[in-house]
Amino acid sequence: QITLKESGPTLVKPTQTLTLTCTFSGFSLSTSGVGVGWIRQPPGKALEWLALIYWDDDKRYSPSLESRLTITKDTSKNQVVLTMTSMDPVDTATYYCAHYIRVAASSHWFFDLWGRGTLVTVSS
Amino acid sequence: DIQLTQSPSSLSASVGDRVTITCRASRSISTYLHWYQHKPGKAPNLLIYAASSLQSGVPSRFSGSGSGTDFTLTISSLQPEDFATYYCQQSYSSPLFGQGTMLEIK
Repeated sequence: QITLKESGPTLVKPTQTLTLTCTFSGFSLSTSGVGVGWIRQPPGKALEWLALIYWDDDKRYSPSLESRLTITKDTSKNQVVLTMTSMDPVDTATYYCAHYIRVAASSHWFFDLWGRGTLVTVSS
Repeated sequence: DIQLTQSPSSLSASVGDRVTITCRASRSISTYLHWYQHKPGKAPNLLIYAASSLQSGVPSRFSGSGSGTDFTLTISSLQPEDFATYYCQQSYSSPLFGQGTMLEIK
């Protein structure tokens, strides 16, 4: 059974750096064809993809946020860490991590399982 | 950049209704289109992947169709637990979600 759980601060101040950890079980991020992504949802707004890391350590970032994001993995701990610099009140959102997988023998990748999310508020 | 446009942005319907939500891509994305259901306070739930494949465990009243630029999610007979927000997402390029369709009880 695959589970993912997000953890990190609930409140950060403007200009600070946010560090979020996704701790997962039920799969290995060293297995071919597997990734973990981060997605956020500001209050009352749509889902927004932020970053992805693949089993081979390939990384992808949202073009609009790339300069502020870093994603890393610790395979031995079953964790993926996202850092976001220069936090602003508009970054207030629920942040989700999700298991990213492709259908066998295809290139269709999708988020099949998600954590419940963690709400991060940016305020002084 | 590929853009996704969902319509309608909100929808009121009754239990038992047939509902269709559309997602249009700004250029062809083949079948690299997936659908999620999201309820407040819960994790989003994958319903359909690769435009028309039903995710394991998802009720058969959900179906997806389309390819290229135009896609639809259909709920054949709405159940009380289906009232939620629905998102499409493309994976032809870096992941991108549509703006969502909120399905409300009439």
